[in-house]
Amino acid sequence: QVQLQESGPGLVKPSETLSLTCAVSGYSISSGYYWGWIRQPPGKGLEWIGSIYHSGSTYYNPSLKSRVTISVDTSKNQFSLKLSSVTAADTAVYYCARGDYQMDAFDIWGQGTMVTVSS
Amino acid sequence: DIQMTQSPSSLSASVGDRVTITCRASQSISSYLNWYQQKPGKAPKLLIYAASSLQSGVPSRFSGSGSGTDFTLTISSLQPEDFATYYCQQSYSTFTFGQGTRLEIK
Repeated sequence: QVQLQESGPGLVKPSETLSLTCAVSGYSISSGYYWGWIRQPPGKGLEWIGSIYHSGSTYYNPSLKSRVTISVDTSKNQFSLKLSSVTAADTAVYYCARGDYQMDAFDIWGQGTMVTVSS
Repeated sequence: DIQMTQSPSSLSASVGDRVTITCRASQSISSYLNWYQQKPGKAPKLLIYAASSLQSGVPSRFSGSGSGTDFTLTISSLQPEDFATYYCQQSYSTFTFGQGTRLEIK
């Protein structure tokens, strides 16, 4: 059974870098699929942040592109998100998810982790 | 960027009702349209992919249709566990979600 688990600080100061990790269990991250980050501000809708593909290619939301980096660590079977220069507007629940090439959809999601940006 | 617009934003219905939610893309996205269900405090769950294909394990009362710019999600007979928020998502050009439709009990 494939499971994804987000981890990282729950509180980040303004102007600093938000760093989260998604640990994948039950499947080798290097074997296929693509991997993504999605966030949801409190009481609001879902926003795709970016994805990393089996080839190593990355795609980011244009509105966040200048601040986002997504990377994979195959030795630890996990992938990571870094979002720089955060503000209160980046306060949200952050989800990691697995993307299926055939369905072209995110079929398995982590439980989400709340990140608050505040001094 | 492709914008996704859902209607209505919220909807009240009763158990047993037939419900339809609409999603419109700002340009043609062929059938690259997915639907998710999200319950409070939980991660979204994939219901429908490629506009009309039912994800494994999802009840057959859920169905999707459409292509191009106009899509619908239909729940044929609402069950108590279906009251949730529903999101469409395009996967034609990276990803964009609709703003969500909150389905409430009447």
